[in-house]
Parts: sequence; structure tokens; C-alpha cells
Amino acid sequence: GQQLNQSPQSMFIQEGEDVSMNCTSSSIFNTWLWYKQDPGEGPVLLIALYKAGELTSNGRLTAQFGITRKDSFLNISASIPSDVGIYFCAGQGNAGGTSYGKLTFGQGTILTVHP
Amino acid sequence: DGGITQSPKYLFRKEGQNVTLSCEQNLNHDAMYWYRQDPGQGLRLIYYSQIVNDFQKGDIAEGYSVSREKKESFPLTVTSAQKNPTAFYLCASSSTNLGEQFFGPGTRLTVL
Repeated sequence: GQQLNQSPQSMFIQEGEDVSMNCTSSSIFNTWLWYKQDPGEGPVLLIALYKAGELTSNGRLTAQFGITRKDSFLNISASIPSDVGIYFCAGQGNAGGTSYGKLTFGQGTILTVHP
Repeated sequence: DGGITQSPKYLFRKEGQNVTLSCEQNLNHDAMYWYRQDPGQGLRLIYYSQIVNDFQKGDIAEGYSVSREKKESFPLTVTSAQKNPTAFYLCASSSTNLGEQFFGPGTRLTVL
């Protein structure tokens, strides 16, 4: 199946720093979702984006739906140790002509925050 | 509390045995999904169901089977035909086909 290109694959940062990660696709999506997964747990939805150009915040998290509908980014400001985990982007919509709302996932960004 | 439950959390199986993973949701969601996650990879769709008594294959359905007899339940059977079954399995649900998906806590299956 199709996959999104998510980068970077991993990040090692100091507490208090800002973080930025992004996803790109060769296909258009109608929805972009960002999830966070803690080790051994299921992903938790952070932000959902439904409109091209949309910029949405959730606390220290900000995500944008790219104007071309082929990309999205997630920023985390003033990182803290509990931000550690794997962040996944997921696109949904007309990719590949599917009609049932299949989510296509990026391969994840592993975030490590040093106190 | 409303949510998705998966059981068991850890499962060990001998090669050649079938095993069934449970997924239950009380969110009144119509659609349910099964994903497989391998280390360093994103989630891959195994099967999905949009409505009771109906389900479709995802990207990696070979060696798996599902049933959807009740809206709340979507069990996944990993059969002996699955060549590499050791993985982390995640169940998800959504209220519509084009909606946000919410995930359960996962089941880690290890084949010995």
C-alpha cells in the first residue's frame, strides 16, 4: 500500500526546544491526522485537519494542512520530557481512488527529549 | 468510560496454531479496523468493516480472517497461514468512513 514520507525519522532535542516534523505525499488527501504513540500503547489522536491551508493548535502543538493538500507539518513548542514518543501522520481521502476513508500512515518520527 | 478495549495485552502462540485477538468498542461507532505494526514502520491495514456483517480486505489480509457479527465487536484471527505473525496489532474505530479513527491499546503477539 501507499505510504507517506515522514521526516525526520528521529530527533534528539533538549527540553525547552521547539520541534518540527512533516509529511509529504504524491497524492492528494482530504484529511490529515497527527497521532502520538507511547511505547507499547495505541496511538492517540492529537490534531485533525480537514481543510487545505488550515492551521490548528492543541496546547503546545500546532499543525497545518498544506495548501497543495499533499503535505502537513506538526510543530511542538517548548518541549517537555513527556513529549517523548513516536509521532505519526496519517492522510485520508481520495488517495489511490479509495472511497472508504482508508488512513495511509507515515513511518513515524521518534522524539527523544533530554531533560 | 467510552473506549476501545483489546485483549489480551500479550499473547504467545506456537507455530502452526490459530489465535484470535479481541476488539470491543462502546463508542457506537459503525466502522472498525485492524492494523499491524512492525518495529520502525507505520501502521498497515489488515481488514476493515463499515457495518455489521460486512468487511473488506486491507493491504495485508493474507493469513488473517475477521468477523463482524455485532456492532461492538470485531475479532481478528491470525491463522497458521500467516508467514510472519509476530507483531503489534491495533484495533481502531470511527463513527463514519471518513472520520477520525480512535485506537485501542494493542495486543502484542509473539510466535514461539
